[in-house]
Amino acid sequence: DSGVTQTPKHLITATGQRVTLRCSPRSGDLSVYWYQQSLDQGLQFLIQYYNGEERAKGNILERFSAQQFPDLHSELNLSSLELGDSALYFCASSVGGHGADTQYFGPGTRLTVL
Amino acid sequence: GQSLEQPSEVTAVEGAIVQINCTYQTSGFYGLSWYQQHDGGAPTFLSYNALDGLEETGRFSSFLSRSDSYGYLLLQELQMKDSASYFCAVRASQTGANNLFFGTGTRLTVIP
Repeated sequence: DSGVTQTPKHLITATGQRVTLRCSPRSGDLSVYWYQQSLDQGLQFLIQYYNGEERAKGNILERFSAQQFPDLHSELNLSSLELGDSALYFCASSVGGHGADTQYFGPGTRLTVL
Repeated sequence: GQSLEQPSEVTAVEGAIVQINCTYQTSGFYGLSWYQQHDGGAPTFLSYNALDGLEETGRFSSFLSRSDSYGYLLLQELQMKDSASYFCAVRASQTGANNLFFGTGTRLTVIP
């Protein structure tokens, strides 16, 4: 158990819908990262927040957005869902905002878009 | 752009030694990480190399050669539970130094 929690574990929805994925980092960690893992794409970095501020953006679609709240939990919002958005979404956290810090991954949310 | 190459699949016998190679192309390289992921599970951190040389942690070792843009993960005394996917990931200024760019993973199958 990494100490990172994600809810829900599974999510099934229809195309065009909007969903929110939630992540609580390990106690004391200030950074939260979101990754998407599809069968053919491996782990793709989406976005990072550090202490409430956006720190870096990766291959995140405009239909996706995220935020980190004062209590440091983070939410990833996915809208206008398409079949291709079906994937595992992982949240990770680290102590600081530096890549040398070990990233601890949550159990993931499996999103299925029908 | 940047790229990472690692073999897609490796099979090895229980008790043996296996090496998973990773070559990378990026600018502003900071370091190379290795993560293990069992089917349906979360990636878990194994090692991080910022400097050339070998880092040993129990049965697992990781090596980095910055001049060759190359690293490997060495797993010794293989156990059935080591069957998993192994990802190398680079930290580089090109990715925004705080972030990891992952390879597509090597699926290791340990057979009796």
